[in-house]
Amino acid sequence: EAQVTQNPRYLITVTGKKLTVTCSQNMNHEYMSWYRQDPGLGLRQIYYSMNVEVTDKGDVPEGYKVSRKEKRNFPLILESPSPNQTSLYFCASYTGRYNEQFFGPGTRLTVL
Amino acid sequence: GQQLNQSPQSMFIQEGEDVSMNCTSSSIFNTWLWYKQDPGEGPVLLIALYKAGELTSNGRLTAQFGITRKDSFLNISASIPSDVGIYFCAAGAGSYQLTFGKGTKLSVIP
Repeated sequence: EAQVTQNPRYLITVTGKKLTVTCSQNMNHEYMSWYRQDPGLGLRQIYYSMNVEVTDKGDVPEGYKVSRKEKRNFPLILESPSPNQTSLYFCASYTGRYNEQFFGPGTRLTVL
Repeated sequence: GQQLNQSPQSMFIQEGEDVSMNCTSSSIFNTWLWYKQDPGEGPVLLIALYKAGELTSNGRLTAQFGITRKDSFLNISASIPSDVGIYFCAAGAGSYQLTFGKGTKLSVIP
């Protein structure tokens, strides 16, 4: 089954404790993105990747890092999480040709 | 940056009624997409539009890519309870980034 998976689905952590949210896709898509979703603000892109070892900033990259060492994986790293990063995070993958983005199930992060 | 104005923000309708929502922008886009998000889930692609004036259906859903390339609408006919959720429009100018509307929250009263 074609899908995007994210782990963990729920995470509660404390300020400053480094964390990684994993994302994996099995559709051989070149492009992958990370979004955060906040009430009243909709979906905002954090980072995207056009291929292995190629990443670029989206609209709200501050406080986040990404890496793309393999085509199927695109982890999101928060080196020093802060409470304003409490949000619902989505990973997406797509071919780039048609921009039809397929989303993962989401990770709800709470930073205390 | 580019912004999409999606309306209405929310709507309550009776089961069986038709629904219409739209997105507008001051910018021109090459792609319009419509997504649905159920509570606790990620957005799911409903319809993709790639050509100005294009009208596409997916079951009871119909969407159109505006002729000016600055707007799109989504219609749902004969709504049913499982249509409940948040509907997002999204538009792309290039091949790798999308701008999203803030969503229309649909409630269906049985």
